[in-house]
Amino acid sequence: GAVVSQHPSRVICKSGTSVKIECRSLDFQATTMFWYRQFPKKSLMLMATSNEGSKATYEQGVEKDKFLINHASLTLSTLTVTSAHPEDSSFYICSARGEPSDQETQYFGPGTRLLVL
Amino acid sequence: LAKTTQPISMDSYEGQEVNITCSHNNIATNDYITWYQQFPSQGPRFIIQGYKTKVTNEVASLFIPADRKSSTLSLPRVSLSDTAVYYCLVGDSPNTGFQKLVFGTGTRLLVSP
Repeated sequence: GAVVSQHPSRVICKSGTSVKIECRSLDFQATTMFWYRQFPKKSLMLMATSNEGSKATYEQGVEKDKFLINHASLTLSTLTVTSAHPEDSSFYICSARGEPSDQETQYFGPGTRLLVL
Repeated sequence: LAKTTQPISMDSYEGQEVNITCSHNNIATNDYITWYQQFPSQGPRFIIQGYKTKVTNEVASLFIPADRKSSTLSLPRVSLSDTAVYYCLVGDSPNTGFQKLVFGTGTRLLVSP
């Protein structure tokens, strides 16, 4: 199946700093990528839909100025957590849509664990 | 988007067959049913997808009754490594453009020796 990577796999930062997380589709082009957040023992929560060359679509309750998403190419989307606070500590997962005829529909990255001190 | 309901947790032993049922009463005509597996600190991994009747692949089977209001993921002869959270999702069709995936609570499967 197709491969989606995320970088970094884990990051620790100080409160007030910004952190950028990269999501790459390694062997296919993804016009749409999705960003999720997952707290311990909880399910994945969709944050936003990232479309190549256009503005991201954010889910209700997700601050777009807090979580900046850029999808500058067909293989890369970035999520920047601005002015991070301890409550932003979470597991962030991206996914990328494969070819329309692909049964697997969405390929998920390995996730990025963010810890804000 | 159709809402799904699954058991919060299930326990099994190595070598047994595990069946996890998911309810999706308001599934739409064009919706497919997809199951994902997630291990701790990893992204979800696709297991199987179906529309109706039965689908089987090398790791699981998916049974969907005629009314499509529920589905059952069947894992044959589970091993310790099948301990994970299993998510049932509906609404993402492979051939009709993009639809976002909405994850429910999932079922936490614990396989014991």
